[in-house]
Amino acid sequence: DIEMTQSPSSLSASVGDRVTIRCRASQTIENFLNWYQQKPGRAPKLLIYTASHLESGAPSRFSGSGSQTDFTLTISSLQPEDFATYYCQQSHSSFTFGPGTTVDLK
Amino acid sequence: QITLKESGPTLVKPTQTLTLTCTFSGFSLTTAGVGVGWIRQPPGKALEWLTVIYWDDDKRYNPSLKNRLTITKDTSKSQVVLTMTNVDPVDTATYYCARVPPAYGISAFDSWGQGTRVTVSS
Repeated sequence: DIEMTQSPSSLSASVGDRVTIRCRASQTIENFLNWYQQKPGRAPKLLIYTASHLESGAPSRFSGSGSQTDFTLTISSLQPEDFATYYCQQSHSSFTFGPGTTVDLK
Repeated sequence: QITLKESGPTLVKPTQTLTLTCTFSGFSLTTAGVGVGWIRQPPGKALEWLTVIYWDDDKRYNPSLKNRLTITKDTSKSQVVLTMTNVDPVDTATYYCARVPPAYGISAFDSWGQGTRVTVSS
């Protein structure tokens, strides 16, 4: 089974900050890595698929990079609506979600 | 417009079988590449993928729950049904269904239902 880890588990940031979240797979997953955003009480939303492709409708301040086992989600300039929990997910071998990273207000 | 909606009991007793239905519109489970999956989230915890069924009836299960899960589809009704046997209080969670799009190379959940909360308690 492929296990996913994320770091940090939480972070505090201010509006306008550049934010980076890391995701690591326990074995190579090529570029089969997706990122989701979830706000309290809401269903997750797909942000990035296959490591670096921006989902239609997702703001361009979100970007993804990486391959094999190490991946990054970057928010170039944090906006008030970006305070949420972010999950990575591998889709190389079925699916596995990471434990999540919560971004809150500093 | 793509929509998915989960339905089923809100309260289930331990050892019983839980059956949840995902009713969707705006796409067909007969389209090549399309899938519908189930994901759950215990209160205050992370997302956990459970199972997925594809247009060609290919089914995949979370290995840790494989023995307790069954997923089926009824394309004529645009429904996918999840069955979980022998439930326990640790199965208390919000259960989501979500779509895998037909686009080649995109293996992700691009549309989600609102979720349905299930409590397992005697």
